[in-house]
Parts: sequence; structure tokens; C-alpha cells
Amino acid sequence: GAGVSQSPSNKVTEKGKDVELRCDPISGHTALYWYRQSLGQGLEFLIYFQGNSAPDKSGLPSDRFSAERTGGSVSTLTIQRTQQEDSAVYLCASSLALAPDTQYFGPGTRLTVL
Amino acid sequence: AQKVTQAQTEISVVEKEDVTLDCVYETRDTTYYLFWYKQPPSGELVFLIRRNSFDEQNEISGRYSWNFQKSTSSFNFTITASQVVDSAVYFCALSEWTTDSWGKFQFGAGTQVVVTP
Repeated sequence: GAGVSQSPSNKVTEKGKDVELRCDPISGHTALYWYRQSLGQGLEFLIYFQGNSAPDKSGLPSDRFSAERTGGSVSTLTIQRTQQEDSAVYLCASSLALAPDTQYFGPGTRLTVL
Repeated sequence: AQKVTQAQTEISVVEKEDVTLDCVYETRDTTYYLFWYKQPPSGELVFLIRRNSFDEQNEISGRYSWNFQKSTSSFNFTITASQVVDSAVYFCALSEWTTDSWGKFQFGAGTQVVVTP
């Protein structure tokens, strides 16, 4: 079956612009996660959604970052007024249920802020 | 505080050598889960294995094997007879029960494995 998909695969933007990153989880998966991976670094948790529960936003680095999940499926991560330090690969993962169920990752969106 | 430590930043081996990746975790929970993921140069993380804290039986899957020892809080991973295709970054992750849910994964910093012909 189809895996987790993310779009765009690459995004180049100018400092100060807003960007939206999209994630389509595996069909039927109720949990969805966003991570950030800076060059040569590990994975930094940003936010997760589980069903209709309030999302855990504890990993969002600033109020410029927000995410929503519509209809319990597709999710959009929005970064407002982008800064150069936002440049990273943004990874989305989904799981059948909340952790510790296995998370399946998408290919990521590489964001470059000039 | 770092809950998952992968002390090895990079390991370089020649093809057919064995490679062991170390993972040390920290938790006060008695019930938790541990994972290994592989991230090849293409970038997409690939799930390798999941272990719960009650199952210390070590596992072998093809050229991969895992050594889980609760006494030392370690969950090490070995690639036997490495191949060039094993070149990737390998991440260890921990999932703990928080106040009312399993919460999020905590990943180690990753170990880059470079296998040369």
C-alpha cells in the first residue's frame, strides 16, 4: 500500500516568507508526527496528533510554527516569517495508534531559507 | 536530558566486517519500547525493529542482530558481514509512558555507518 507522502520534496524560500508543508499519512493511521532534522543532526520532535485529542505541541520551537490536521488525515505544518535557522529537513511519520506503535516515515521536505 | 545516547558518531568498516552500534537509554519506567531505524542516503527512515521492555530475548534477522540488556540499559545492534548497501545513519529511539499516553519517541543522535568495498 501507499506509504507516507510529503510535499513539496524541496522548498526554497526567502527569509521572512511563510511556508506550508504537507503530509499525507498512511490510510487508517490515527497518529501523525512531525520532526525536524537539521544537517547532520538527529531528529527533533515538533508535534504529534492522535485522533481527535488535542495535539502535543511541546516540541514546537517558537510561535512561528503551527500545525493542523484536517479530518484526521492530512496535516499541514506552517512556518511563518521563516528564518535561516529554520532550514532543515522536515519529516512526517504516522502510526496505526499512538506510540509505541511503529512510526512510518515519509521522505521529508527539505526547506532552505535564503 | 538526553534519554537515548548513541556515543558513536561514525563507524567506518571494510565490506564483510561486522559492525556493532551502541545505544544506551535512560528511563524510570518499567514498561517502555525501543526501536532502531535506518536512514540511507536517500533520506527516508526505515523501521528495523521494535522491542518492549519485557522481552529481552535477543533476535537475529538475516545479517542483523540485536542485543537488549536491561541491566545495562543497552540495546545494541550488530550488522554481520557488512555490505556497501548498509551505509546509512542508524537511529535508536525510546518510547515511554508519560502521564496519560505513550507520548513521543525520543531519538538518539544517530551513528553514521560507512562501508567501503
